[in-house]
Amino acid sequence: EIVMTQSPVTLSVSPGETATLSCRASQSVGNNLVWYQQKPGQAPRLLIHTASARATGIPARFSGGGSGTEFTLTITSLQSEDFAVYYCQQYNNWPPRGTFGQGTKVDFK
Amino acid sequence: EVQLVESGGGLIQPGGSLRLSCAASGFTFYNYEMNWVRQAPGKGLEWISYISSSGSTIYYADSMKGRFTISRDNAKNSLYLQMNSLRVEDTAVYHCARGIRYMDVWGKGTTVTVSS
Repeated sequence: EIVMTQSPVTLSVSPGETATLSCRASQSVGNNLVWYQQKPGQAPRLLIHTASARATGIPARFSGGGSGTEFTLTITSLQSEDFAVYYCQQYNNWPPRGTFGQGTKVDFK
Repeated sequence: EVQLVESGGGLIQPGGSLRLSCAASGFTFYNYEMNWVRQAPGKGLEWISYISSSGSTIYYADSMKGRFTISRDNAKNSLYLQMNSLRVEDTAVYHCARGIRYMDVWGKGTTVTVSS
């Protein structure tokens, strides 16, 4: 089973600032990683796939990086609508065994 | 508009059964693989099951094997999850989601509460 560990658990930032979220895999997943955003009461939304490719309609202020075991999601010029929980998910092994990180909540500083 | 809408959740006693449905619209359902993913209160996302576009390939998370059954009806643009022998720890919001390996479209979910 691949264990995905996200840090920090909570990230407090002010609008306009940059947020950097981390996701670590217990073994290499190549670039087979996605990031989702979830707001309370809403469905998760795909932000980034293949570690760094923005999904359709995702603003350029969201960027993903990394490969192997270390990944980052960077949100520049944070907007009010960006305050949410962010999850990483590896898809290197299929069917999945240990898939999602536990999430990072981005909230108001 | 591409949309997934779940239904069928509710309050059920431990040991009971429930069948969840997911209605798809805005895309060619029979061309896409589908999944169920759940989220316990205050917790993260947990993948439950996958079904291929034709329904010929199915996978389950180990903890759900033997209790949950995924199926689909491409003529009705619908995905299903039959849940038996429900446990308190199955309490969660259940989402259907489109995709193989990762999910690009999600429904808002239906809430299942298992309690006596």
